[in-house]
Amino acid sequence: QSALTQPASVSGSPGQSITISCTGTSSDLGSHNLVSWYQQYPGKVPKLIIFEDIERPSGVSNRFSGSRSGNTASLTISGLQSEDEAQYYCCSYERITTYWVFGGGTKLTV
Amino acid sequence: QVHLQESGPGLVKPSETLSLTCTVSSGSIHHYYWSWIRQPPGKGLEWIGYIFYSGVTNYNTSLKSRVTISVDTSKNQFSLKLSSVTAADTAIYYCARASGSNWYSSFDYWGQGTLVAVSS
Repeated sequence: QSALTQPASVSGSPGQSITISCTGTSSDLGSHNLVSWYQQYPGKVPKLIIFEDIERPSGVSNRFSGSRSGNTASLTISGLQSEDEAQYYCCSYERITTYWVFGGGTKLTV
Repeated sequence: QVHLQESGPGLVKPSETLSLTCTVSSGSIHHYYWSWIRQPPGKGLEWIGYIFYSGVTNYNTSLKSRVTISVDTSKNQFSLKLSSVTAADTAIYYCARASGSNWYSSFDYWGQGTLVAVSS
């Protein structure tokens, strides 16, 4: 399995919405895979913001949403705020083999 | 609130074995998948492998020949050994718990991370 493909960077203005894509093959993002998303500030520990494709952990803002279409998963952040400026990683879990693979990460600039 | 804490040497010589331990507190090590994840300085995340409390493991295919993950349920700890290290193994090493609603698919608790440098 190779790393999932994410854009290196995305940017948006406060109040806007942005979408970060995460693309893989049918073995990385197929029907047996579940996607999670992580937010990481510089020098900090990654934080789970989306799990099982579309679920939000308790305490995560509803401005964050996840979706899937074919071999592409997406993270949408609506109502951008300056505090959203961070690195974002997608991660695919393969249910049959119990195997994880991360995307290369996307730097969001607000 | 589950707490994970990595421990181990911060400096390892090339060709030697990197050894780290993750201690799980305020929660049981049972019934979850426990993983090691690393992040080279300035780079992205890489999953290394996982262990279930029963001892079942799986490893990143790119590291499989050098990695061993073990668990000690009596101490609520799991450990990582990475052999024959090179400078490319220099990274922040995180331990993390895999959990989820229906599948143990996402990492909800992470240790603070420990920087391991490979250098002579």
